[in-house]
Amino acid sequence: EDKVVQSPLSLVVHEGDTVTLNCSYEVTNFRSLLWYKQEKKAPTFLFMLTSSGIEKKSGRLSSILDKKELFSILNITATQTGDSAVYLCAVWDSSYKLIFGSGTRLLVRP
Amino acid sequence: GAVVSQHPSWVICKSGTSVKIECRSLDFQATTMFWYRQFPKQSLMLMATSNEGSKATYEQGVEKDKFLINHASLTLSTLTVTSAHPEDSSFYICSARELTSGSYEQYFGPGTRLTVT
Repeated sequence: EDKVVQSPLSLVVHEGDTVTLNCSYEVTNFRSLLWYKQEKKAPTFLFMLTSSGIEKKSGRLSSILDKKELFSILNITATQTGDSAVYLCAVWDSSYKLIFGSGTRLLVRP
Repeated sequence: GAVVSQHPSWVICKSGTSVKIECRSLDFQATTMFWYRQFPKQSLMLMATSNEGSKATYEQGVEKDKFLINHASLTLSTLTVTSAHPEDSSFYICSARELTSGSYEQYFGPGTRLTVT
């Protein structure tokens, strides 16, 4: 059965800290891995990763995929309270269906 | 960017009644729409995939007679929760995909919070 596993499930840090969120997957016919940020409503898209070893960066957020070891990490540097959210990792399978992980709940304290 | 809306944003209904949730793609034609359910502090679980003009494909464990999905046009899909029960209370999110652009990216709606009393 296809699955996406995220760790840690929750994380509390202070502003300015750097965090690393993990996502591992076992998906038949993997196409791409996506990261989303979810605050109180629907997820907002962060990154899509298809190739191994190529870092994607957007401001203080960056992500990379390792297709050999079947995992991805999402890094957030110099965290701010506005980064508090649930971060979801999802994988596209061969039919372009999104399979979501359980999410990592990040709380950034002032 | 592509925008997906949902209506209503929240709804409270009595047990045994039916509730309809609408999902609209505002500035693109959605050949495929997805319906997800999210319980508190849990992730999104795909309920069904619908393609315009054809029957929805339901995920294992989702009752198709209870969760009626209609995708009658390229910009509108509806989810009707029939004979709702308190355990159906959840956050329902739709997403839409526009294949004509060559991208398989899904655009998410803002979600509908359903509370069944």
